[in-house]
Amino acid sequence: GNSVTQMEGPVTLSEEAFLTINCTYTATGYPSLFWYVQYPGEGLQLLLKATKADDKGSNKGFEATYRKETTSFHLEKGSVQVSDSAVYFCALPITGGGNKLTFGTGTQLKVEL
Amino acid sequence: DAGITQSPRHKVTETGTPVTLRCHQTENHRYMYWYRQDPGHGLRLIHYSYGVKDTDKGEVSDGYSVSRSKTEDFLLTLESATSSQTSVYFCAISDPLQEGPGGYTFGSGTRLTVV
Repeated sequence: GNSVTQMEGPVTLSEEAFLTINCTYTATGYPSLFWYVQYPGEGLQLLLKATKADDKGSNKGFEATYRKETTSFHLEKGSVQVSDSAVYFCALPITGGGNKLTFGTGTQLKVEL
Repeated sequence: DAGITQSPRHKVTETGTPVTLRCHQTENHRYMYWYRQDPGHGLRLIHYSYGVKDTDKGEVSDGYSVSRSKTEDFLLTLESATSSQTSVYFCAISDPLQEGPGGYTFGSGTRLTVV
């Protein structure tokens, strides 16, 4: 079945540093891909998505490009802020209907001054 | 925005007791889900619902049951709580016709401790 693999954290960066969080996937066909973010003490929120190969999703300065050649959907941001400290989850649909998603294990990002 | 609320937010219960968690939505979304979040495992799907009285199992459904008697409410019951069910439980809703595929809205979670 469909699955995602994320880089393990925590990732610790200084403010204004460049961020990459790796996500690779295994899937039948070319499903939509998602990044969700979880701020401390909260539920997950959709950060961005890409619905087909070569699409780039973007939001709040974050970007991710759907690359079918490398089966990857890496999350990037050019200049992180302390407020970006959170856990980031890559996700894709599970086959079999129900609009179900499977999530990666999450990558914790800590941004320091 | 309070389109989805979970109750209680925190609960401590004893091993062997039944526990029910509630998820309530005001968005009239068709699909509702229960996930559990554990370190090293990310989020794992317990059960989901695709309509009133229509539910199905996820990947970690053993020891859990659900019910959906109204569009807005989705209940998760731990029939006899065990320490392995200590976790943070998240409810989510979706409606692909409104939000596109995979666009979930999550509740704030219920932290359950089984002692």
